[in-house]
Amino acid sequence: AQSVTQPDIHITVSEGASLELRCNYSYGATPYLFWYVQSPGQGLQLLLKYFSGDTLVQGIKGFEAEFKRSQSSFNLRKPSVHWSDAAEYFCAVGANTGGFKTIFGAGTRLFVKA
Amino acid sequence: NAGVTQTPKFRILKIGQSMTLQCTQDMNHNYMYWYRQDPGMGLKLIYYSVGAGITDKGEVPNGYNVSRSTTEDFPLRLELAAPSQTSVYFCASRPPLSRLATEAFFGQGTRLTVV
Repeated sequence: AQSVTQPDIHITVSEGASLELRCNYSYGATPYLFWYVQSPGQGLQLLLKYFSGDTLVQGIKGFEAEFKRSQSSFNLRKPSVHWSDAAEYFCAVGANTGGFKTIFGAGTRLFVKA
Repeated sequence: NAGVTQTPKFRILKIGQSMTLQCTQDMNHNYMYWYRQDPGMGLKLIYYSVGAGITDKGEVPNGYNVSRSTTEDFPLRLELAAPSQTSVYFCASRPPLSRLATEAFFGQGTRLTVV
């Protein structure tokens, strides 16, 4: 069965510091992979996605993620965090079975300190 | 563009009451989904639909029902509300799968409290 693991429930980073959020997935075929961000009281916004091609993908707001098949990982990175990046981040895998369901990890809440 | 619209945004129900969470999308998407979000649990799929007249259960369907009479609308029905259904509910939609169209688009959510 498909699954997504985000090992860190929450992370605190200083403003201006670099960020890496971890994501591991379990899926038998080539996965569709996504990172979404959710600000408090808001819906989910897509940051970036990967299906094939270059394993380093660029997204909005200065985020990037690298797909590593050998490690079944799709970690999200940002070189310099801004206070406005404080939010909850969800990694997800798209399962190309009936209905193409998107399966989410439990999320990582990012806190940014001044 | 309106995208995916959910109503209401907030609701308090008493145990045993029923209600319908409305979801409509104006992007002509075939696929629609209902998720619930609980703290520390991510989003769990309740029901989904691949087109008008076709629905199927997701991971946590118990206590819920759905219908899909039109492409645009995908209401979620709670028949006998229970405290365990206190959650934030998200509706999502997406177009048929293609290399350029793989992600789902989400509504703003409905925060439901059952007391």
